[in-house]
Amino acid sequence: NAGVTQTPKFQVLKTGQSMTLQCAQDMNHEYMSWYRQDPGMGLRLIHYSVGAGITDQGEVPNGYNVSRSTTEDFPLRLLSAAPSQTSVYFCASYGNYGYTFGSGTRLTVV
Amino acid sequence: GQQLNQSPQSMFIQEGEDVSMNCTSSSIFNTWLWYKQDPGEGPVLLIALYKAGELTSNGRLTAQFGITRKDSFLNISASIPSDVGIYFCAGQLGISNFGNEKLTFGTGTRLTIIP
Repeated sequence: NAGVTQTPKFQVLKTGQSMTLQCAQDMNHEYMSWYRQDPGMGLRLIHYSVGAGITDQGEVPNGYNVSRSTTEDFPLRLLSAAPSQTSVYFCASYGNYGYTFGSGTRLTVV
Repeated sequence: GQQLNQSPQSMFIQEGEDVSMNCTSSSIFNTWLWYKQDPGEGPVLLIALYKAGELTSNGRLTAQFGITRKDSFLNISASIPSDVGIYFCAGQLGISNFGNEKLTFGTGTRLTIIP
């Protein structure tokens, strides 16, 4: 099925650990983005990319890195996880019919 | 960062009732979008609005793009159990594929249907 695939679906990290949240889309969309969702806060933009090799910061970029080496993939890296990064993370791509969201990664940092 | 003010935060209704929720912003947007999120899933687009004053329907859902471009509302008529979920408004500066694609989300309205 065409769409946005996120892995893993759930993850528990210890403070200070690093990890990469994976996101892949097969719709050939140039624009991809990462959001985090916290209770009562809606979704907030972390980083986005308008094409391979081009990334930019969103509203809440601190503590996260991204890269875009291919059109399909847009991984989100946490270099040193903190409890404040406990959240649900959504990857989305944007095309002719608007945004398509992945099903999310629920991350808990203890 | 900016977030849209969405109200109400939660609604408890009986099946068959109509639902109304709205979203306001201090900034102008050129596109307003309404999404629904089911538990454990990402948001799914319900309705997109591209012109101030536009009124658009999608089945039992009706949404309007405010004339000032700073607000929007969503109505759901004759609610059914599968309407349960969280509804988000989102504003976008770009129009369709052009311009700024970034979305600014509302804080969400959680809809619960009381048996």
